[in-house]
Parts: sequence; structure tokens; C-alpha cells
Amino acid sequence: AQTIHQWPVAEIKAVGSPLSLGCTIKGKSSPNLYWYWQATGGTLQQLFYSITVGQVESVVQLNLSASRPKDDQFILSTEKLLLSHSGFYLCAWSPRTGGDAEQFFGPGTRLTVL
Amino acid sequence: AQSVTQPDARVTVSEGASLQLRCKYSYFGTPYLFWYVQYPRQGLQLLLKYYPGDPVVQGVNGFEAEFSKSNSSFHLRKASVHWSDWAVYFCAVSMFPMGYKLTFGTGTSLLVDP
Repeated sequence: AQTIHQWPVAEIKAVGSPLSLGCTIKGKSSPNLYWYWQATGGTLQQLFYSITVGQVESVVQLNLSASRPKDDQFILSTEKLLLSHSGFYLCAWSPRTGGDAEQFFGPGTRLTVL
Repeated sequence: AQSVTQPDARVTVSEGASLQLRCKYSYFGTPYLFWYVQYPRQGLQLLLKYYPGDPVVQGVNGFEAEFSKSNSSFHLRKASVHWSDWAVYFCAVSMFPMGYKLTFGTGTSLLVDP
């Protein structure tokens, strides 16, 4: 069975500080990977997706970047946090590209920027 | 562009009563539609998915949804609500073959009266 793990569970960071969030998928080779952001009480906004190692596509610009250093790992980062970065960050994976490929979500990381 | 509208931000039902959560989509072509549930402070779980075919789709925990092309709708239903169904429900649409782009609605918060 596939498992998805996100770290850390929660972060409290200062404005202007750097950030790195991680996501690991186990039990599935060559998954498509995704990062989403959810404001408190809001909907989900897709940020990035990756079809293969080393290749990441940006969906929306939020002064964040993403990388896929390994087949099973997806990293979200920024060098300088803004207050607007606060929220819930969700990693997801899907088994293949295609409209019918449902996405499976991780438990999320809650980020508070002060 | 694809979009999803969930017109009800909040729905309250009594335990044991029936439930319908509304979802309207906008998409040129055949959409792939999904319902996800988010329990407090958790990630999203897939309830059900629609692929072109039978308009009524069965999901987990007694949920079902009906696709209507004429009404551009994909409403979620349950015959008898349980207190554990208290959560936020998201409708989402995906575009074939670019399945990596999943667009979510704003969510409907379901409250269950004991």
C-alpha cells in the first residue's frame, strides 16, 4: 500500500525567514506529485506539480519554489517568508497523468508566519 | 477554463436525516469530477469519482453522487447522516488529458445536529 508522509506537522516562523517543507511517497514508483496551499477556512489552490524527477511546473506564483530531488520526494521552499504564506500545505500524489487520475493527499503541514 | 461552484458554504442537518450537497461545474467537454472530504485539521480523503458512464456513482461510507450534463451538476447525497460526517466537503474537476490540474470548489461545511 502507498503511504504519503509530510514534515514537519506544523511550523511557526518569522516573516523573512526561510522555509522548507517535505513530502515523501512510499510504495509507488514514478508518481505524479503536487503541492497545494489552503488558507484557513478556504479552498485548495494548486501550487506545483511534478511528473518526473528534476522537473517541476509552477501553477501559481506565491513567492515559493518546489523541487523533486528524488522519485519519491517533493520539497516546497522559500528564502523569505511573507505573512500571506500562512496556511495549510498539502502534498498529493496520483498514479498517472490523465483526467481520471484521482489525487491522494497527505496529512498536511500547518504553517503560521508571525 | 474549468471551474467548480459550491453554492452552500454551510449546511446543517439532523443526525439520521438525508443530505444533499450541491456542486456545479463549468467545463467545455467531458469533465472528470471528484468529491473529497476534509475532517478537522486533516488532509483530504477521496469520497468518490465520476468517469463518463453511469451518472450515479457510489462512494465510501454510504455517499453517492449524480452527474447531470444538462444541469452541469454533480451533487453529493447520503440517505442517513451520521455525526461522524461532520466535516468540510470539496467538489473538484479535472480536465482530460491534462489530469494534473485539479480545480476545487470553495467547500461546504457540514454540521450535524445530534
